[in-house]
Amino acid sequence: GAGVSQSPRYKVAKRGQDVALRCDPISGHVSLFWYQQALGQGPEFLTYFQNEAQLDKSGLPSDRFFAERPEGSVSTLKIQRTQQEDSAVYLCASSTQGGSQPQHFGDGTRLSIL
Amino acid sequence: AQRVTQPEKLLSVFKGAPVELKCNYSYSGSPELFWYVQYSRQRLQLLLRHISRESIKGFTADLNKGETSFHLKKPFAQEEDSAMYYCALSGNGDYKLSFGAGTTVTVRA
Repeated sequence: GAGVSQSPRYKVAKRGQDVALRCDPISGHVSLFWYQQALGQGPEFLTYFQNEAQLDKSGLPSDRFFAERPEGSVSTLKIQRTQQEDSAVYLCASSTQGGSQPQHFGDGTRLSIL
Repeated sequence: AQRVTQPEKLLSVFKGAPVELKCNYSYSGSPELFWYVQYSRQRLQLLLRHISRESIKGFTADLNKGETSFHLKKPFAQEEDSAMYYCALSGNGDYKLSFGAGTTVTVRA
């Protein structure tokens, strides 16, 4: 595709429900990142994949957050038992490799927890 | 720990006037610095990175290690420069980005 694709664009869920957010990186991009952006703040790192390997998950705020990239392409960020503080925009980015290569961002998924 | 500070939340300038967005960082090693921009209804995109030493859309940024700053400058602002700007840092040999809180720039006619 032309760029990083994320779905859904908007998600509304009730507190306590589980949600799954999808990211389709640019074809051939080895590295994939998830960021969380709260209102009025800059994006904050959640987790990083190189191919199918999750090399860093230090930014995941709790064990309710889980990410996977089983075939080294599409990635899913899952949040279990959602809470109101999970409301944010979740951004996915991909790059040709780690390190200093530019990251290309998707449009994000705006998650609202009622 | 690495941290990026953008002291200005909002910046308003007239068309044709110079604009400078401040960015300060803290990092113990040699960081790589970036400016990302988000125009209205568009996705976040890279504007420039310090290792490229290039001017993009008339913007330049110089890494000042003594002052730990990476300010973004443009001598003559245009209306199409109105956007949200984020300064970001990547640690030496690292991959994840640490972002500042962002500065909203409005260029008035």
